[in-house]
Amino acid sequence: EVQLVESGGGLVQPGGSLRLSCAASGFTFSSYRMNWVRQAPGKGLECVSYISPSSSSIYYADSVKGRFTISRDNAKNSLFLQMDSLRAEDTAVYYCAREGPMGNYFDYWGQGTLVTVSS
Amino acid sequence: QSVLTQPPSVSGAPGQRVTISCTGSSSNLGAGYDVHWYQQLPGTAPKLLIYGNNNRPSGVPDRFSGSKSGTSASLAISGLQAEDEADYYCQSYDSSLSGYVFGTGTKVTVL
Repeated sequence: EVQLVESGGGLVQPGGSLRLSCAASGFTFSSYRMNWVRQAPGKGLECVSYISPSSSSIYYADSVKGRFTISRDNAKNSLFLQMDSLRAEDTAVYYCAREGPMGNYFDYWGQGTLVTVSS
Repeated sequence: QSVLTQPPSVSGAPGQRVTISCTGSSSNLGAGYDVHWYQQLPGTAPKLLIYGNNNRPSGVPDRFSGSKSGTSASLAISGLQAEDEADYYCQSYDSSLSGYVFGTGTKVTVL
């Protein structure tokens, strides 16, 4: 059974940093592109970053470029999102999502971790 | 940013058929990129409902169907049930943004 479990969310002040983790199990992690998708309270979905299986290809949405860093550890079946210079508008539930075998869609999602940026 | 436009809400009585539209542009749906659909029940993570325009993952009832034509796509729910009350999002790839984009989301209410 595919499982994605996020952790690391919490309350942080504007300008602060946070590191999210996603523990994957039930599939060959090193074979799949992985994504971080966020959802602000009462709002829609936004793909903020993705990383290819070998980490050779990385994408960031303009809204987080230069502030967020995605990485993965295939040996530990883990995905990470380092978030620096956090802003109030980064407040959201952050989901880890696996990209489907045929690409360009998200076939499995974690339960999400809430990041709140507030003073 | 949402570059795919959906109606904010649709509603129907149990047993009825409802459709949700998703309108894009020449850099996403119109460029030939597939559309995918997700269902998000209250307080839960999104769930893949339709992929590759009209394919259902294992376990998704055949009451759900998808279609795409040009810069538009639609999700149809036939035989509407109370448990279908949720938010629905379309998603695709956008070549001008070089990234994945979601629709604005549609809340389905079962009357």
